[in-house]
Amino acid sequence: DVKVTQSSRYLVKRTGEKVFLECVQDMDHENMFWYRQDPGLGLRLIYFSYDVKMKEKGDIPEGYSVSREKKERFSLILESASTNQTSMYLCASSPLPYGGYTFGSGTRLTVV
Amino acid sequence: DQQVKQNSPSLSVQEGRISILNCDYTNSMFDYFLWYKKYPAEGPTFLISISSIKDKNEDGRFTVFLNKSAKHLSLHIVPSQPGDSAVYFCAAKARGGSYIPTFGRGTSLIVHP
Repeated sequence: DVKVTQSSRYLVKRTGEKVFLECVQDMDHENMFWYRQDPGLGLRLIYFSYDVKMKEKGDIPEGYSVSREKKERFSLILESASTNQTSMYLCASSPLPYGGYTFGSGTRLTVV
Repeated sequence: DQQVKQNSPSLSVQEGRISILNCDYTNSMFDYFLWYKKYPAEGPTFLISISSIKDKNEDGRFTVFLNKSAKHLSLHIVPSQPGDSAVYFCAAKARGGSYIPTFGRGTSLIVHP
């Protein structure tokens, strides 16, 4: 089974901190994604990547950046955390860009 | 502007009965639709999908129906079980473009014993 591992289940950070969320997949998938899930807003795409060193903005990229230096690892970076970035962050990978997503268990980030 | 709408935030059903989760879309370029299920504190898992060339796809207790003229799809769960209690997300992919699906806001299903 494909496994997508997110490094932290819960994080508490202070406003203004630089935050790194790490995601690793073990099935050699080309495509990786970062979403955030908020009550009443569903899943919103932040960034995605089709290949190593490649990144594309999703629907809500403001305040975030990403890094994909190795195929198996896709990092989400909050350059200067703000309280409105308090959310559940979900990483996913897939062999296809449009389906067959496997999601990680999520990181619940609280910015205080 | 929401292109994929799940207008019912929640649904409550008795065990053994049918659960019907609805999804409407506005983009006529959508050609592939997916349903994901999400339990609390877990990531979403893929449930079932349907291509726009079909109007029905079935997998065990789960059936998805697509009505292209109405731009509407529905997920039927028969019979519903307490373990089906979760948030269900509808997603749709457009022909061309980035191929990344657009997700709805989700419907929370509660199946009562």
